[in-house]
Amino acid sequence: DTAVSQTPKYLVTQMGNDKSIKCEQNLGHDTMYWYKQDSKKFLKIMFSYNNKELIINETVPNRFSPKSPDKAHLNLHINSLELGDSAVYFCASSQARDIFYEQYFGPGTRLTVT
Amino acid sequence: RKEVEQDPGPFNVPEGATVAFNCTYSNSASQSFFWYRQDCRKEPKLLMSVYSSGNEDGRFTAQLNRASQYISLLIRDSKLSDSATYLCVVSNNAGNMLTFGGGTRLMVKP
Repeated sequence: DTAVSQTPKYLVTQMGNDKSIKCEQNLGHDTMYWYKQDSKKFLKIMFSYNNKELIINETVPNRFSPKSPDKAHLNLHINSLELGDSAVYFCASSQARDIFYEQYFGPGTRLTVT
Repeated sequence: RKEVEQDPGPFNVPEGATVAFNCTYSNSASQSFFWYRQDCRKEPKLLMSVYSSGNEDGRFTAQLNRASQYISLLIRDSKLSDSATYLCVVSNNAGNMLTFGGGTRLMVKP
């Protein structure tokens, strides 16, 4: 019944590793997002996809590569993890790309890079 | 200057109190404004949109002052369950991206 789900919930890994986070929404929404919330609690947009098409890429390092196999899924792959990548990553979805539509967030993935 | 600024708090108030948060934003062309609520170690959830004329939802009232570029949230008759972080959120010019403030933490005590 979960509207927006993410896996894994916790991810602990070493510097230099490559990892992926998966996101799925069962709301039938067209638009999905990845946000990063750092230790100071600022939530920042990373990417946005609308119907599998990338529409926002907010100057995120190339080590981060989103992939949307279909409009219900938006995965995030991170190469060569760095200490500064430690954060909580939230996936979200909305009915359409217009920000008037409410964004529904997943439970977050807490990434710790050691 | 940060795009969206909020007093991080915490605001410690007794149950039943009225508490108000303000938020300032730097982009005068922003068109849409929201308050989100985030419980500890949980995801943000939309609390309410903020309309130019101001709007109320039960114990919560949101106001927008475009001239001064600030948004406010008033909570009346605070409940223990109102304890959370309140995020002020503002759209960009194109209306396709949201910028979140750092949040104001509220703690309601018995």
